[in-house]
This record gives sequence, structure tokens and C-alpha cells, in this order.
Amino acid sequence: SQTIHQWPATLVQPVGSPLSLECTVEGTSNPNLYWYRQAAGRGLQLLFYSVGIGQISSEVPQNLSASRPQDRQFILSSKKLLLSDSGFYLCAWSVTILTNEKLFFGSGTQLSVL
Amino acid sequence: AQKITQTQPGMFVQEKEAVTLDCTYDTSDQSYGLFWYKQPSSGEMIFLIYQGSYDEQNATEGRYSLNFQKARKSANLVISASQLGDSAMYFCAMRETDNAGNMLTFGGGTRLMVKP
Repeated sequence: SQTIHQWPATLVQPVGSPLSLECTVEGTSNPNLYWYRQAAGRGLQLLFYSVGIGQISSEVPQNLSASRPQDRQFILSSKKLLLSDSGFYLCAWSVTILTNEKLFFGSGTQLSVL
Repeated sequence: AQKITQTQPGMFVQEKEAVTLDCTYDTSDQSYGLFWYKQPSSGEMIFLIYQGSYDEQNATEGRYSLNFQKARKSANLVISASQLGDSAMYFCAMRETDNAGNMLTFGGGTRLMVKP
């Protein structure tokens, strides 16, 4: 069966420090991968998606970047965190491009930038 | 413009009663999919129910049903016989066919609180 792992679960970082959040998917090949951010009490905002190794699409200009070095690995990074980067980050995956394909989410990372 | 609108930031419902969470959407696609997710306080996103734009019948999954009104572009979630464990954030989401990355667009969510 397919599983998605996301870590760390919580992270407290000072402003200006770097960031690396990792997400891996097991049990499937060539998944579509996504990074969403959720501000406190708000909806999910799509940050990046990837349909294959090295293929990254950005939805929102920001202080963050994403990379996909391996088929089932998706990394969210920042060189210098801002206060506004605080939030709950969710990694997700899907297999097909069919309209009825739901997303499967990781357990999330709560990032606090102080 | 917002693609998914959830107008109820928070709602209360008495345990064992039914509740309807509103969702309206905006798309020019003929083929699209609508989803509802539940997010408990733990933060995980739990898939609840799916409705395709060409589905003639409203989707149902246990105590969850989707009141799909295509002409009004609404896809309200109905939870019957509410339970205390239903207290959570609920998100409506849509996938359009003209969507290279197959991503979901989410609404702002509704916080449901079930009263004992």
C-alpha cells in the first residue's frame, strides 16, 4: 500500500535561517507531488507541484523553493526564512490526472518562524 | 476571483442532528471534480467524499452526502447524525480538467463544532 512520510512534525526556526522540509512517498511510481501551506485558521494554498523528477511548477511567488531529486522525494526549502513563512505545511501526492483522483496528504509540518 | 467559496467560517451543531456545510465554486470547465476533506485538530487531511460534474446522482459515503446543484454551482456537504468526533475543519476543493498538475484548489474552510 502507498504511504507518505513528511518530517519534521514541528519546527521552530529564527528569521533568516534556512529551511528544508522533506516528503517521501512509498508504494507508487511517478506520483504527482504537491506542497501546500495553511496559515492559522485558513484554507490551503498550493505552493509547488511536480509531475516528474526535476519538474517543478510554482503557483505563488515567494521566499520558498522546491526540488524533486528522486521520483518519490519532494523537498521544500528556503535560504532565509521570513516571519510570514510560518504556517502548517502539507505534502500531498496523487497518481493519475483523472478528475476524480483525490490527493493523499502527509501529516504536516508546523513551522514557526520567530 | 475565488474558485471555491465557503461562506461559513464556523458552525455549531447539536450532537445527533444533521448539518449542512456550504460550498460554491466557479469554473468554466464542463468536466470537473469536487471534494470534501476533514481536518481534525491533529492537522491531517482526511478525504470524505467526491462528486464528479457528470455524476447524475448525489454522492454519499456513510453519514456524508453531497448536495450537488450544478446550475447553482454549489456542492454542499451534509453530515447526518452529528457526532462529537465530527468537530473539525472542513474543506471543499475542486479539480478542473484544464489542470496540468492535477492539483486541487481549496476553499477557506468551515470550522464545525458539535455540542453534546
